[in-house]
Amino acid sequence: SSELTQDPAVSVALGQTVRITCQGDSLRSYYASWYQQKPGQAPVLVIFGYNNRPSGIPPRFSGSNSGNTASLTITGAQAEDEADYYCNSRGSRGSHLVFGGGTKLTVL
Amino acid sequence: QVQLQESGPGLVKPSETLSLTCSVSGGSINNYYWSWIRQPPGKGLEWIGYIFYNGSTKYNPSLKSRVTISLDTSKRQFSLKLNSATAADTAVYYCARVDGVDFDYWGQGTLVIVSS
Repeated sequence: SSELTQDPAVSVALGQTVRITCQGDSLRSYYASWYQQKPGQAPVLVIFGYNNRPSGIPPRFSGSNSGNTASLTITGAQAEDEADYYCNSRGSRGSHLVFGGGTKLTVL
Repeated sequence: QVQLQESGPGLVKPSETLSLTCSVSGGSINNYYWSWIRQPPGKGLEWIGYIFYNGSTKYNPSLKSRVTISLDTSKRQFSLKLNSATAADTAVYYCARVDGVDFDYWGQGTLVIVSS
């Protein structure tokens, strides 16, 4: 099992807001980054450094941290946001990196 | 614009060594970590390890005994060797640049099947 825990699946109605969470002890010390992966494609970084978006990522994507939980929020979900989402951070030992198990987002 | 491209055999026999190379174009090799990640069919991402531009390495503890990552800065390439391959190593293998903990640029991925 991963050191970072994500819900396997989440759904959201088109245009509504959805939060995807990532839990782990290491998140009390390190921030989480978030990746979007569509079928047959490589992951794409969507949030880094607590709440920063790379160039080209829409502002409807935002990140936050509280205690041992990091969250990715999509405000006004679009059909094209349907994808798998992964968090990553440092592991409990600090020197290695880990990914969460991933959350499959369905936009209804 | 930074681009990464994986290359290597798509089929490896059990017990043999899985070897892949990642070619980096654009940007600087310096001051970044260069990493390998894999994804078994239908499953999630697994970090394999990374190498810093100065040659220092860190590996996933679960794979550490079988993994070697090396870097050739003159060729702008880094490589993965995974010994004693088994069917459980069948996956899409990605290379990526790491800035801190952020995987900011990824290769397209290459499928490696371990089978006789």
